[in-house]
Amino acid sequence: DAKTTQPNSMESNEEEPVHLPCNHSTISGTDYIHWYRQLPSQGPEYVIHGLTSNVNNRMASLAIAEDRKSSTLILHRATLRDAAVYYCILMSWSGGGADGLTFGKGTHLIIQP
Amino acid sequence: ETGVTQTPRHLVMGMTNKKSLKCEQHLGHNAMYWYKQSAKKPLELMFVYNFKEQTENNSVPSRFSPECPNSSHLFLHLHTLQPEDSALYLCASSLSGGQSYTEAFFGQGTRLTVV
Repeated sequence: DAKTTQPNSMESNEEEPVHLPCNHSTISGTDYIHWYRQLPSQGPEYVIHGLTSNVNNRMASLAIAEDRKSSTLILHRATLRDAAVYYCILMSWSGGGADGLTFGKGTHLIIQP
Repeated sequence: ETGVTQTPRHLVMGMTNKKSLKCEQHLGHNAMYWYKQSAKKPLELMFVYNFKEQTENNSVPSRFSPECPNSSHLFLHLHTLQPEDSALYLCASSLSGGQSYTEAFFGQGTRLTVV
């Protein structure tokens, strides 16, 4: 799987938007961009994923650069419960079978009240 | 509650013990996974099962032995572990194959301490 690069940590204030960047300059045409997060003492949970177009769901938005070499996870209004480690993961989806996720170190998001 | 249940939540075992971790999902998923999360390290994929068949083993030592009797249950049998095997062991499941895709759902993990 292609590699992703994320800042080690970011800090934001409660009720403000948060933009979490991810670089993936070696992304291939079949790689989907996935974001997961891991809250303290819990297993990771899915946040959002996309291929080329920007995506929105109830948790967040995903903005994908036109050349797909970077993406940004947007939390529109951060709460204290959004404090977690956020992982940007590329996964090739050929529809052929199960592939595990390759996690990096992620970004530790700190939310200040 | 993610729909993936792991037991036990905590386990302390001696190096000569034999124990098993259990994972169960009733989400209709056909793929199940074991991950290891050590302190200060990223999650590491250990094993992948697809339709009960093991499709990936990431050079995991033989003291870890997985078993997948059906698509809903996954076990990790442990024997003669070392203290450095102490970690959080996470199970996940997903739907795969054809045009079907779901994200991976993770359990809460089993915190294993080897003494």
